[in-house]
Amino acid sequence: QSVLTQPPSVSGAPGQRVTISCTGSSSNIGAGYDVHWYQQLPGTAPKLLIYGNANRPSGVPDRFSGSQSGTSASLAITGLQAEDEADYSCQSYDSSLRGYVFGTGTRVTVL
Amino acid sequence: QITLKESSPTLVKPTQTLTLTCTFSGFSLSTSGVGVGWIRQPPGKALEWLALIYWDDDKRYSPSLKSRLTITKDTSKNQVVLTMTNMDPADTATYHCAYRPGSNYGAAFLGWGQGTLVTVSS
Repeated sequence: QSVLTQPPSVSGAPGQRVTISCTGSSSNIGAGYDVHWYQQLPGTAPKLLIYGNANRPSGVPDRFSGSQSGTSASLAITGLQAEDEADYSCQSYDSSLRGYVFGTGTRVTVL
Repeated sequence: QITLKESSPTLVKPTQTLTLTCTFSGFSLSTSGVGVGWIRQPPGKALEWLALIYWDDDKRYSPSLKSRLTITKDTSKNQVVLTMTNMDPADTATYHCAYRPGSNYGAAFLGWGQGTLVTVSS
């Protein structure tokens, strides 16, 4: 049902850089609607990580960065830490569906 | 400090109507641009947006669930209520309410409730 596609999982060693893609279409990301990213630690509620494609709310480390190009967006985590092990989801708006849409979700594993 | 908390029955039977209540603090649903939404997550699956109500009582629904959903607000009580009719086992999920501040944050949900797990079973 999700119209935004993410890889099911990514992994990396501590200190490494990992990226998570969020692929949409011309009716959502490609139409210019902003992408937002959420982190969900095990058993907890989602937490806003990135808003408006590339902005971090207060308190979010600058290890997390977002970008957008065409019909896709990406979340990068640099200097990967054990505490970054969580699920990550992207979110945007879809003009065809006339509603908010979330990505399929990505599990980040720290090796 | 922004907080949101969901309340609902934990178990509903198929065909019944589910009523979810979100009680929040730290912001006002009378402030221009502010909204409160409902998002659910079936076990092991992705987040799914359900509905959103704005400060001016504008209401938006997921097109696939629109016929089953009603969202209302009680600004004086700092509450938002979502009702979902004709519940089905496929509706088993954790239901979250979330705060949309608008303004610089656009359509992002800045604050989330911990969620309430609703199981649909006879």
